[in-house]
Amino acid sequence: DAGVTQSPTHLIKTRGQQVTLRCSPISGHKSVSWYQQVLGQGPQFIFQYYEKEERGRGNFPDRFSARQFPNYSSELNVNALLLGDSALYLCASSLLARGSTDTQYFGPGTRLTVL
Amino acid sequence: AQSVAQPEDQVNVAEGNPLTVKCTYSVSGNPYLFWYVQYPNRGLQFLLKYITGDNLVKGSYGFEAEFNKSQTSFHLKKPSALVSDSALYFCAVSLTTDSWGKLQFGAGTQVVVTP
Repeated sequence: DAGVTQSPTHLIKTRGQQVTLRCSPISGHKSVSWYQQVLGQGPQFIFQYYEKEERGRGNFPDRFSARQFPNYSSELNVNALLLGDSALYLCASSLLARGSTDTQYFGPGTRLTVL
Repeated sequence: AQSVAQPEDQVNVAEGNPLTVKCTYSVSGNPYLFWYVQYPNRGLQFLLKYITGDNLVKGSYGFEAEFNKSQTSFHLKKPSALVSDSALYFCAVSLTTDSWGKLQFGAGTQVVVTP
């Protein structure tokens, strides 16, 4: 079975630009979460979506936004890029809508470099 | 506020020797605890989780972890380490009160297994 897929694998942008990252969850999973992993740190929670609605948001500025589509895939958008946005962006999917016991399965990530 | 601590930035062990990666947590309620492993340029792979019940949890690739409520710890263990276990290990916690399962990660512990 295919796992969580993300695209693109790598991305280079300049300050002030906008970027869109994409994620397809494991088949049958309805919940998608996004995390930012800065080099040398653990992943930080950005968003969680279920049934196209935002269910949780981390401590990130409004430049970060996301959405989920009817097929449960998701996009993460970041506007007005800053150097500090350079990171590995991870997408995770899980089966259950509610319940913090559910295992989240992660994709390979998108490496964003902001110059 | 909840937090997760991994007190060791790096753990060095010889192949065949026991491996332990430490994790402590601080939460106001009952925690759900997870271990993930990350190989270079890859996403996170799920190893095991503690939800309730037996304090000793067995997971993938021969790993196990012991939940200790009094010491607020969830240390990851493997009886006999392999060179292929060299990777970055993350402990994570979610709260029972957070029904959407947002994960909070530790900073990670680099494991180096030498032949």
